[in-house]
Amino acid sequence: AQSVSQHNHHVILSEAASLELGCNYSYGGTVNLFWYVQYPGQHLQLLLKYFSGDPLVKGIKGFEAEFIKSKFSFNLRKPSVQWSDTAEYFCAVSGNNRLAFGKGNQVVVIP
Amino acid sequence: EAGVAQSPRYKIIEKRQSVAFWCNPISGHATLYWYQQILGQGPKLLIQFQNNGVVDDSQLPKDRFSAERLKGVDSTLKIQPAKLEDSAVYLCASSLAAGAGNTIYFGEGSWLTVV
Repeated sequence: AQSVSQHNHHVILSEAASLELGCNYSYGGTVNLFWYVQYPGQHLQLLLKYFSGDPLVKGIKGFEAEFIKSKFSFNLRKPSVQWSDTAEYFCAVSGNNRLAFGKGNQVVVIP
Repeated sequence: EAGVAQSPRYKIIEKRQSVAFWCNPISGHATLYWYQQILGQGPKLLIQFQNNGVVDDSQLPKDRFSAERLKGVDSTLKIQPAKLEDSAVYLCASSLAAGAGNTIYFGEGSWLTVV
């Protein structure tokens, strides 16, 4: 079964700072990779996904993620965050028709 | 387009009592999922349905948890009897079909507190 590791569970940064959240997975087969976001009081929403092709994936709200197969990583980035990016971010890996989530990163952006 | 509907949103029960959560997926979605999200952790899949059949229930604690999707549309998740460690958010999700190529849409969750 696949597993997902996310580091730095709590991240606090100021507006306009750059954000990078790490995601590492373990799975022996072909995977599909996702980042979900959960804004305060809202449901989980898909931020971006990677299935194949260009390993640099663009998502909504200026987010992007890069799949590095040799490092089993799918890190999320945003060059300049806004206060509205305060949320919890979950990396997820799909393999064998099961979607496994990491523990999440709680991101707080200070105005 | 209506999203995944769940009820109740919040429930507080005493240990050893029972509770049931209801989910109505997005219209036309054949695959339905129940996830458990404990505070500080990511969602964990409890059970996955394809229409009215169970695809994966390997992580469902079957001694106390049960779920059904009798007509292949809405679903009910039951916990009986509840334990303190069952306190969590129970997320229902749906997708057009199974497989990673299908985006999974989540409901707002049902928050359970067992005291």
